[in-house]
Order: sequence, then structure tokens, then C-alpha cells
Amino acid sequence: KQEVTQIPAALSVPEGENLVLNCSFTDSAIYNLQWFRQDPGKGLTSLLLIQSSQREQTSGRLNASLDKSSGRSTLYIAASQPGDSATYLCAVRAFDTDKLIFGTGTRLQVFP
Amino acid sequence: DTEVTQTPKHLVMGMTNKKSLKCEQHMGHRAMYWYKQKAKKPPELMFVYSYEKLSINESVPSRFSPECPNSSLLNLHLHALQPEDSALYLCASSQDLTSRVFGPGTRLTVL
Repeated sequence: KQEVTQIPAALSVPEGENLVLNCSFTDSAIYNLQWFRQDPGKGLTSLLLIQSSQREQTSGRLNASLDKSSGRSTLYIAASQPGDSATYLCAVRAFDTDKLIFGTGTRLQVFP
Repeated sequence: DTEVTQTPKHLVMGMTNKKSLKCEQHMGHRAMYWYKQKAKKPPELMFVYSYEKLSINESVPSRFSPECPNSSLLNLHLHALQPEDSALYLCASSQDLTSRVFGPGTRLTVL
């Protein structure tokens, strides 16, 4: 059974720092991995999608990497801003299912 | 149109009420999903519709009844809910290999 965990569970940093959020999964047979952002009480916003054949994806200040063999993905946020404060979720999709298995989330607070 | 819309934004209902949640997407996505999310937890899958047919039911109690009238619309009918069903209900859609697009959610409170 696929299990997805995220470390750390919470993170509080001053503005301007470069951050790394971690996502680990137990079954490396994934189809893709998606990173989401969720503001309190709101829906999920897709940040980056990495297909199993890809190593990384970039969007603006965000860079996500994928290492299937080690069951890990990282989300790198450059030059963090208070507007980046949110919960970040990773989710994996296996080949034979339409389900997304979500990680436990990292709550990020960036203070001025 | 690249978004999923959900109505209402908030809903308060009693345990004897019948209400419905509505979800719409006009991106031509073939799959639509209902998720339930409790505070500080990740979303939990409830139902998946693929090409307007129910393909996954994650053993959800029958007081939740999904309906997919057409390829753009997904409803969740609610009846005789319990206070523990209070949560954020999220709808999502996707098209095969593309990323999953989520709506803003309906905050449901059951009194």
C-alpha cells in the first residue's frame, strides 16, 4: 500500500530564505507526482506536475525534483515571500489507478 | 475556461435536511472527483466519475449520493448527515495524463 509522508510538518522562516520541502513515498511505481498549495479553508492549487519519466519541473521561483528509485521528491522555493505562506501537499498517482495518494502536508509560514 | 467551480461556498444543514453540492467544469475533462477534507488533514477521495460513469466509490456511506448528469456537471446529494460529516468538500477534474484541477470547495457544517 502506497504511503506518502512529508517532512517537516510545519516550517516558519523569515522572508528571503530558500526552502526545501520533502515528500517521500513507499512504492516507486508511480505514474506522476503533483505538488499543490492550499490556503486555509480554500481549495488546492496545482503548482507542478512531474511525470515518472521526468527528473524535475520548474515554475518561477519553484522547482520540484523527482527521484523514483529513492522514493523522494523535493519542492524548492527560492527567495520565500510572506505570500508563500500556505500548506503544501504532494500527491502521487500509480499506473493502474485514478486515485491520488496525498502526503501529510507541510504548513509553511513566511514572516516579514 | 480553466477552472472548476463549486456552489455553494458555505452550507449549514440540520441532520434531517436534504441538500446538494454542485460542481462544474468546462475544460472537457473526462474524469471528475469528490473529496472530503477535515481540518489539518489531506483530502480523502470519496467518488470518481469517468466518462460520466461512477468508477470508484471509496466505501462512502449511502447518505452521500453522487450524480453526474453530464460531462461538465457533478452533484453530491446529502441526506441525514451526521455532525462528523462537517468538512470541506472538494471537487476536482482531470483529463488522462494532465494534472488534477481542484475547485474552491464547499464548507459544510452539520448541526
